[in-house]
Amino acid sequence: DGGITQSPKYLFRKEGQNVTLSCEQNLNHDAMYWYRQDPGQGLRLIYYSQIVNDFQKGDIAEGYSVSREKKESFPLTVTSAQKNPTAFYLCASSMYPGGLDSPLHFGNGTRLTVT
Amino acid sequence: AQKVTQAQTEISVVEKEDVTLDCVYETRDTTYYLFWYKQPPSGELVFLIRRNSFDEQNEISGRYSWNFQKSTSSFNFTITASQVVDSAVYFCALSEAFTGNQFYFGTGTSLTVIP
Repeated sequence: DGGITQSPKYLFRKEGQNVTLSCEQNLNHDAMYWYRQDPGQGLRLIYYSQIVNDFQKGDIAEGYSVSREKKESFPLTVTSAQKNPTAFYLCASSMYPGGLDSPLHFGNGTRLTVT
Repeated sequence: AQKVTQAQTEISVVEKEDVTLDCVYETRDTTYYLFWYKQPPSGELVFLIRRNSFDEQNEISGRYSWNFQKSTSSFNFTITASQVVDSAVYFCALSEAFTGNQFYFGTGTSLTVIP
């Protein structure tokens, strides 16, 4: 079955540590996205990538970094510079870049807790 | 300004009641797409429907129906004869031709169906 796999489902880190969230898709989609979800705030875009080796900042990119070395993979690193990293992180993909009409397909999410 | 507004934060209905989830959007583009997603407790957002700005025809899919009205910039979602499995958070989203690869999400409506 095609889909998006995010791992791990739950992640706990100490403050000051960088942490990397995994996102893999086998849908052959060109575009991939990272969203952050906080209670009552909907989804906010962190980074997105339209093609391999290219990515763009979203609305809340500060304190995060990404890479897109392979079409299937779009890992997100939450750095120690992110002031409030505890949140639910969702990875998504869509069929083609700039595909306004192409719906997003989401992974199951990673719940990150930093103490 | 919020591009997508879901004014209803939480709704509770008794099983078999009908319920309508409101979505109001804001855009200056003539070409845009509207989406509804369902987020069950498992966390993954599930795509429900896409509608483009040139197609105001309402759509029905089983117990689900969508009412798109450009005159009021609304894209409301009605669940008929609600069931406990409908309990979830529902998100409305907008993508515009002008901003390209950006999806704007509302803050979501949490629906609880009481047995």
